[in-house]
Amino acid sequence: DTAVSQTPKYLVTQMGNDKSIKCEQNLGHDTMYWYKQDSKKFLKIMFSYNNKELIINETVPNRFSPKSPDKAHLNLHINSLELGDSAVYFCASSQWPDPSYEQYFGPGTRLTVT
Amino acid sequence: GQQVMQIPQYQHVQEGEDFTTYCNSSTTLSNIQWYKQRPGGHPVFLIQLVKSGEVKKQKRLTFQFGEAKKNSSLHITATQTTDVGTYFCAAPETGGTSYGKLTFGQGTILTVHP
Repeated sequence: DTAVSQTPKYLVTQMGNDKSIKCEQNLGHDTMYWYKQDSKKFLKIMFSYNNKELIINETVPNRFSPKSPDKAHLNLHINSLELGDSAVYFCASSQWPDPSYEQYFGPGTRLTVT
Repeated sequence: GQQVMQIPQYQHVQEGEDFTTYCNSSTTLSNIQWYKQRPGGHPVFLIQLVKSGEVKKQKRLTFQFGEAKKNSSLHITATQTTDVGTYFCAAPETGGTSYGKLTFGQGTILTVHP
């Protein structure tokens, strides 16, 4: 069984569209994250939720809206997609929000905006 | 916010040669984690270092945490083609509202030529 799963794996869409990425973890972890990885491999955190509560909200355009229906799921909705949103988006989870706990990453969603 | 500088950005080696990547911080770190991302894959946790001067080994990989807890290194002895990928260090933000946030280094992309 996959520990952290994401759908879709690839997403190609046009500018201005709205899209969502879904993430699920079956590790029983309390904390989930969204990261963005750009073309230079730089990993930057976007959001973090602990037991459905938003605890980290980095400087991200408000076109990005995370939603956590329960602690095993964290979805990312993006409105009015722009070319600069093209990147790989990783979901991750950890047992607790304490950064001393290792993070488990999903396979990633490669978003291409044309 | 806290920054973790990682060098080199790229490293090309012949199979059998050694490889080292370094991470440096201007502030004292509570701990440091290392992740490996295979090409097309997702970051996978390798290890965490917590104590000043700590050295840990995993087969051909040796991880060190500096005495001042401001720097860390990952050394691979006799690289193999299976070592290719991007190696990231990551350290937690401390204090304030940054609880639970990991800051990733820029990553070192390792290429191994057979």
